[in-house]
This record gives sequence, C-alpha cells and structure tokens, in this order.
Amino acid sequence: RKEVEQDPGPFNVPEGATVAFNCTYSNSASQSFFWYRQDCRKEPKLLMSVYSSGNEDGRFTAQLNRASQYISLLIRDSKLSDSATYLCVVNRHGGSQGNLIFGKGTKLSVKP
Amino acid sequence: GAGVSQSPSNKVTEKGKDVELRCDPISGHTALYWYRQSLGQGLEFLIYFQGNSAPDKSGLPSDRFSAERTGGSVSTLTIQRTQQEDSAVYLCANAPKDRIYNEQFFGPGTRLTVL
Repeated sequence: RKEVEQDPGPFNVPEGATVAFNCTYSNSASQSFFWYRQDCRKEPKLLMSVYSSGNEDGRFTAQLNRASQYISLLIRDSKLSDSATYLCVVNRHGGSQGNLIFGKGTKLSVKP
Repeated sequence: GAGVSQSPSNKVTEKGKDVELRCDPISGHTALYWYRQSLGQGLEFLIYFQGNSAPDKSGLPSDRFSAERTGGSVSTLTIQRTQQEDSAVYLCANAPKDRIYNEQFFGPGTRLTVL
C-alpha cells in the first residue's frame, strides 16, 4: 500500500452537490491527519485538521477511521470556488515530530 | 512580511549548472520543510529542519541536492549539476515548531526549469 493514496479524480459536480473524497494511509502509527487545498499553480493551504471524533467546519466535514486507516472529506452545497485539488496529509512516523506525507490529491471541478 | 517568501520565483538554467533556491521563513517559526512538485504530481518531501539541524534528509533524491539553514532562519536548497528531471516547483513550508499536528504554511514556490 502506498503511504497515502487518493483517487485522483477529477470529480466533476454541479453547484450545490454534495461530494466526498476518501484517502487511505499505510502507517498505523500515524497520529496527525489533515486536508489541504491546492488551487491551480498555487501553494497548498490547510483546509482542516482531522480529529479522531470527526469534525465539521461549515460545509466541510472530515472523518477518520483508524481501524480501516482511512480519512474522508465531505463537501456539502458545493460552490464554484471549491474547485481545487484536495490533498490528504498524514504524518510519516509515530511520535510527535517529523515530516508529513502529502497524497497526490483529488481534483474537484464544480460547474455552474 | 507576514508569510513565507521564496526566491527566485522562476529560474531557468542549463543542464549541468548549479542553482541555489532561497526560503525566508515566518519569523519565529522554527520548523522548515522543503518539498518539490513535478507537473501534475504530488508533493515530494525533500528535507526538514528544526532550528539549524536537519533530523530528516531522507527525501533528498541524490547527493547533488543539499540544504542548509543558518541562524534558525533563512534556508537555501542547492542543486549541483542540474539535470532535466530536476525541473519542478520547489516549495518551502514553515511551522511554529517541529510538531506533527502543526499547520504548515507554504511559500509560493520556485519554478525551476532545466533546459
């Protein structure tokens, strides 16, 4: 299994749709999980951290399933401005320090 | 400035030349990371610094790549004898400390083209 694996998409959805992305990770010792967003030809920016209990930020909901080693991101009521690539990010090693591994991203295109 | 800055923003060089890429971090952010992103690909980790020391250099692709950080601030990534496969966007990121739960703030990147 790759360290972090995502469906590359693209996901083409109409405005107002609900869309979900999944991501799997290989290291069961990983403890930190994030979703970053990257617009075309721009740098990545943090969208949200993913907590064990799941968390919500407006239209965005993130879930973590440790047993299955997967993370999900749900976007409700999609906006044109949500069009971007969504990167699943996991820390590489156990412990509180170290680097992060970025997935290759899932591309979302929201159409009018 | 308030954010991470990188220079140059674009660099075109000839195969075999050396290049130096610079990252100016957010003041007081002690953890600094270098990544590269080839066209249509994900971010590839290269190296990270906590202060001036580099706990993990495992991502450097070959001994042509090196990085240093001085004064816990500016970092430079040097690529010697560049090859065409080195063409990519090189991104620098910063975090307040070397902790896995910290957000990483990215600079705009240096787009390197090796002819």
